[in-house]
Amino acid sequence: GQNIDQPTEMTATEGAIVQINCTYQTSGFNGLFWYQQHAGEAPTFLSYNVLDGLEEKGRFSSFLSRSKGYSYLLLKELQMKDSASYLCAVLDSNYQLIWGAGTKLIIKP
Amino acid sequence: IAGITQAPTSQILAAGRRMTLRCTQDMRHNAMYWYRQDLGLGLRLIHYSNTAGTTGKGEVPDGYSVSRANTDDFPLTLASAVPSQTSVYFCASSDSSSPGDTQYFGPGTRLTVL
Repeated sequence: GQNIDQPTEMTATEGAIVQINCTYQTSGFNGLFWYQQHAGEAPTFLSYNVLDGLEEKGRFSSFLSRSKGYSYLLLKELQMKDSASYLCAVLDSNYQLIWGAGTKLIIKP
Repeated sequence: IAGITQAPTSQILAAGRRMTLRCTQDMRHNAMYWYRQDLGLGLRLIHYSNTAGTTGKGEVPDGYSVSRANTDDFPLTLASAVPSQTSVYFCASSDSSSPGDTQYFGPGTRLTVL
């Protein structure tokens, strides 16, 4: 079966750095997405990785290792507004997105 | 530009009733999707449409139907609602010109079936 694993919840301090991991086992791979979802709102696109390596976009970076079935989202200089759930999703061989359950990130002052 | 709109925002429905959730996008995206999101679970695909006039079944299609008469609209119908269909429903759309066919989401409909 297809499976996406990410931690259920993480806590970090304002101004710090946090890394949210995602491991996947899917039938085929056509890219990995990270989305941010604030409570009661819709998911919003953060990043897309299809090749191995690190993609940096401001305070957020996303890393992919296809051979290890592993990705992480790195958030720097954490702000209170970064408190949200972070969803990892893999585009499988049928070009359908398989979603993880999400990681709830709690930022403390 | 509104992006994707969904209606209603929330609804309480008696079991056995028929309900249509509406979704409209103004981005001229070819593909559209319906997901449900339940606590502790990832988003699960109900139905999708790659282009107007075509639809396909996702991971959890039972009890739901869709139609795609034109590019902009993609309604989801619950023929006879059951309590297990209590969930938050998100409509999304994607364009093949964006990396990985990035999906963009509507604000969601919170549905409670009693």
